Amino acid sequence: DAGVTQSPTHLIKTRGQQVTLRCSPISGHKSVSWYQQVLGQGPQFIFQYYEKEERGRGNFPDRFSARQFPNYSSELNVNALLLGDSALYLCASSLRDPAGRGYEQYFGPGTRLTVT
Amino acid sequence: AQTVTQSQPEMSVQEAETVTLSCTYDTSENNYYLFWYKQPPSRQMILVIRQEAYKQQNATENRFSVNFQKAAKSFSLKISDSQLGDTAMYFCAFMRVGQFYFGTGTSLTVIP
Repeated sequence: DAGVTQSPTHLIKTRGQQVTLRCSPISGHKSVSWYQQVLGQGPQFIFQYYEKEERGRGNFPDRFSARQFPNYSSELNVNALLLGDSALYLCASSLRDPAGRGYEQYFGPGTRLTVT
Repeated sequence: AQTVTQSQPEMSVQEAETVTLSCTYDTSENNYYLFWYKQPPSRQMILVIRQEAYKQQNATENRFSVNFQKAAKSFSLKISDSQLGDTAMYFCAFMRVGQFYFGTGTSLTVIP
């Protein structure tokens, strides 16, 4: 089975622009989470969706938004880009309900966003 | 708020030797999960091992094992018979109801 896929692989944007990142979970997985990983640091949790409902939100400004579609794929949108938004954006999917036992997640390769 | 601390930014180990990576966390919760993830230079994050806080038995996956000390809030990873392919960044992570908190990582280099 294919793993978590993300598109695009790399992206260069200018300050003030908007960007949309896409994630397709592993087949059968209903939960998708988004993370921001700045170079040299651990991933920072942004959002989690399960069955198309938002289940968790990290400490990010309202410029960041996400949604999950009926096929469980997800998009992360970032408006009014800042230089500090430059990072690797990781998507992870999980089979189980994040509130339940046995939860574990599998990561995609990430989208490298550069804001100039 | 939950925090995860990895106090060893960089470590190295000779091939075939054993190495232990440290992780401590801070939480007031009783039920949670702990994870170790590996991120090789190719950047894809890979799950190494998982521990449920309600289980006293330490998790083991082949050459990887953990020492989970719940009272001390400590969760170290032991890699036995280190291999060159183990060279990577290792992240410790805490999860509670789907919210993940990662440490800053330990860069492990396996020396031939």
